[in-house]
Amino acid sequence: EAQVTQNPRYLITVTGKKLTVTCSQNMNHEYMSWYRQDPGLGLRQIYYSMNVEVTDKGDVPEGYKVSRKEKRNFPLILESPSPNQTSLYFCATQTGLAGDTQYFGPGTRLTVL
Amino acid sequence: TQLLEQSPQFLSIQEGENLTVYCNSSSVFSSLQWYRQEPGEGPVLLVTVVTGGEVKKLKRLTFQFGDARKDSSLHITAAQPGDTGLYLCAGATYTDSWGKLQFGAGTQVVVTP
Repeated sequence: EAQVTQNPRYLITVTGKKLTVTCSQNMNHEYMSWYRQDPGLGLRQIYYSMNVEVTDKGDVPEGYKVSRKEKRNFPLILESPSPNQTSLYFCATQTGLAGDTQYFGPGTRLTVL
Repeated sequence: TQLLEQSPQFLSIQEGENLTVYCNSSSVFSSLQWYRQEPGEGPVLLVTVVTGGEVKKLKRLTFQFGDARKDSSLHITAAQPGDTGLYLCAGATYTDSWGKLQFGAGTQVVVTP
């Protein structure tokens, strides 16, 4: 079954405590993205990766890091989380171009106190 | 500011009624997608429209792409409680080889029995 998995699904943390949200896909897709979803703002792209070791900033990259050491994994790293990073985060993969189908993970709800 | 404006933001109707959700922009898109997102899950692609003026039907859902490829609409006939969800539109543009997908903020649809 084609899957995008994220862990953890829920996380409550405190300001400044480094955290990593993992994302893994089994579809052999080259392109992966991280989005955050906030009320009234929709989905905004944080970072994306076009292939192993190739990453680039999306629309809201400040405060986030990513890495792509393997094709299937694309972790999102918050080195020093702040309350304004409280949000719902989605990992997504797609077969190729922007207009292709995006497959989203189930989401990670992060609260930074 | 949203590149894609969705209206209305919230829609509550009774089972059996019809509804229309709009997605508007001042930008031209190469293609436009509609997703549905249910609570606790990631968005799931419903349809992609590519050609100006294109109309696609998916059972009781009808999707239309504007002639100028700047806007789109989603019409649901005889809505059912299972149609409840957040409907998101997303437009694709290509300034590089991969392109970019921009999302609207979504329309929350609630269908009550």
